[in-house]
Amino acid sequence: NAGVTQTPKFQVLKTGQSMTLQCAQDMNHNSMYWYRQDPGMGLRLIYYSASEGTTDKGEVPNGYNVSRLNKREFSLRLESAAPSQTSVYFCASSGPSIISNQPQHFGDGTRLSIL
Amino acid sequence: AQSVTQLDSQVPVFEEAPVELRCNYSSSVSVYLFWYVQYPNQGLQLLLKYLSGSTLVESINGFEAEFNKSQTSFHLRKPSVHISDTAEYFCAVSDPGTGGFKTIFGAGTRLFVK
Repeated sequence: NAGVTQTPKFQVLKTGQSMTLQCAQDMNHNSMYWYRQDPGMGLRLIYYSASEGTTDKGEVPNGYNVSRLNKREFSLRLESAAPSQTSVYFCASSGPSIISNQPQHFGDGTRLSIL
Repeated sequence: AQSVTQLDSQVPVFEEAPVELRCNYSSSVSVYLFWYVQYPNQGLQLLLKYLSGSTLVESINGFEAEFNKSQTSFHLRKPSVHISDTAEYFCAVSDPGTGGFKTIFGAGTRLFVK
């Protein structure tokens, strides 16, 4: 029962470097989400994918790109990392039976530090 | 745009005492409302949700929340807390009119049971 799997769990980058955060779910869910969590700010939606082949911006998309590779996988890319992107990143998914489309299952997060 | 305010950043409470975590949201014609719980070094877990119908919703572990449209509130309550309830709790809201995909979270309330 893996649920939502995120890799890596920890990463340290230098300013200007690029990297891709990976997310995969094994529950045949249609919708997937990327959030960032910062102290005192709760979770903020970066991008979401309502279904395979579609992606849309959330509250804080600047500096990020996403790819819905297939139904299982939804990756988040930082093209040129900045210290302001230091955060904990969460991927989540929700299934077609969830009419409200809220994130239902979360991964354990990727802790990203940018120096 | 929707917004959520959690009125307390930290709530300390003794074991077996009652607790209320307060949440207010910006007004809208209709809303979906949620409470999530986050244990250390884990992702969030959905605790309960209000979509429509009965204004009182319950979780399987004894929490309940009441949707109050006139006060735009969705406070979370538990009559008797346990040590294991120590966690961070997030209130969230989304707009059914846009499919509910853009769930907006509050800043969180850290519940500490002692």
